[in-house]
Order: sequence, then structure tokens, then C-alpha cells
Amino acid sequence: GDSVTQMEGPVTLSEEAFLTINCTYTATGYPSLFWYVQYPGEGLQLLLKATKADDKGSNKGFEATYRKETTSFHLEKGSVQVSDSAVYFCALSGLGNQFYFGTGTSLTVIP
Amino acid sequence: GAVVSQHPSWVICKSGTSVKIECRSLDFQATTMFWYRQFPKQSLMLMATSNEGSKATYEQGVEKDKFLINHASLTLSTLTVTSAHPEDSSFYICSARDPGTGLLYEQYFGPGTRLTVT
Repeated sequence: GDSVTQMEGPVTLSEEAFLTINCTYTATGYPSLFWYVQYPGEGLQLLLKATKADDKGSNKGFEATYRKETTSFHLEKGSVQVSDSAVYFCALSGLGNQFYFGTGTSLTVIP
Repeated sequence: GAVVSQHPSWVICKSGTSVKIECRSLDFQATTMFWYRQFPKQSLMLMATSNEGSKATYEQGVEKDKFLINHASLTLSTLTVTSAHPEDSSFYICSARDPGTGLLYEQYFGPGTRLTVT
């Protein structure tokens, strides 16, 4: 079945460091891929998405490229800020439009 | 943007009692809502899909008699945890799909409800 494997955390970075959170997926057909962010005490917010191969999703300085050949959707940001501290979830929406989430990666950015 | 609210945000109940959690779409009509459960440091697990005016579709392994879902209107779905036990303690999150966007994959998430059963 469809699934998402996400890099385990927690991840701690200094402000302005480069961020990569790895995400790979297994799916039947051609899923849509997402990154969601969950700030402390809040619900999930859509960070970015890509709906077909080679699409690049971007938002708030974060980017992820839908790589069909490697079944990956790694999240990157060139310079993280303290306000980026949150839990990040990779997800896919496959056949039937059901969502499958990764286990989440906790990011802490220290000044 | 689309907003989904949940009430209550946290609840503590005694073992054996029932608890109702509400999920509301505030600025759109949601024909489909989803209920997820999130364990500490784990991912969201889909429990059921709630369709307005019809019975919910439960995922494999989810007890439909224990987790009662009612989607009585286009803006409200409720999850009732019946005869709650400590193992039901978890973070419950709902999401809703806005049919007006035309994007079947777009879901908007509520802030979650923390249930603690003592």
C-alpha cells in the first residue's frame, strides 16, 4: 500500500543553517505530495505541495521537488530561522484521495 | 483561507464515560471531513472519512461502535468516543475538504483535541 518514510528527528540547527528533511514514498500510480507544518499547540498547516513529477513546491523559503525516479520529496531551506521551529510532516494523497503521513520531524532552531 | 475549528481543545474524562468532539468548517461547506488520531511522536493515522448525510467510512482496525461519527450538516462533524478507556487517550485531529476549490487533495486541518482518559 501507499506509505511515506520520513527522516527521523529531532533536528537541531543554528539560525541561518541549511535544512534538509528527507522524505521518500511508496505509492500506486501518481500521488500528490505535500509538506505540512505543525507549530506547538496548533493544527497542521499546508506548507507546500507538488502534484506531478518534477514539480517544485515552494513557500516561505522552503522548497521540495517531486522526484519520481527516486520516489522522493525532500524538504529544503537555505537559511532557517527560530520561527521555523516546528514539526514537519511529509504526506501523499494517492488513489481515493486518502492522505498518508510520515512520522514527522521535529525541528528546533537555536539563535 | 479555509478555517477548521475543533471543540474542545482539550478534555479530561473518567474511564467509562463518553466524550464528544466537534469539528466545524467556519467559512466553507465541507461535504467530506476526516478524523485522524495522533500518538505522541508519531504520525497521523486516518480513523474514518465522514460524509455529510451518510454513514462514515472507517479504516481497518477502527472500532465503529466505539468511535461514533456523525456528519449532520455541511459544516459540522462530531466524533464521540464511547466508554472511553485510558488507551483512548490521544490527540484527535479533524480535517475538511473544500469542494469549492475543485482540489480533491486539498484538506484543511483543525487544531486538534487532546483527550486524556483517567
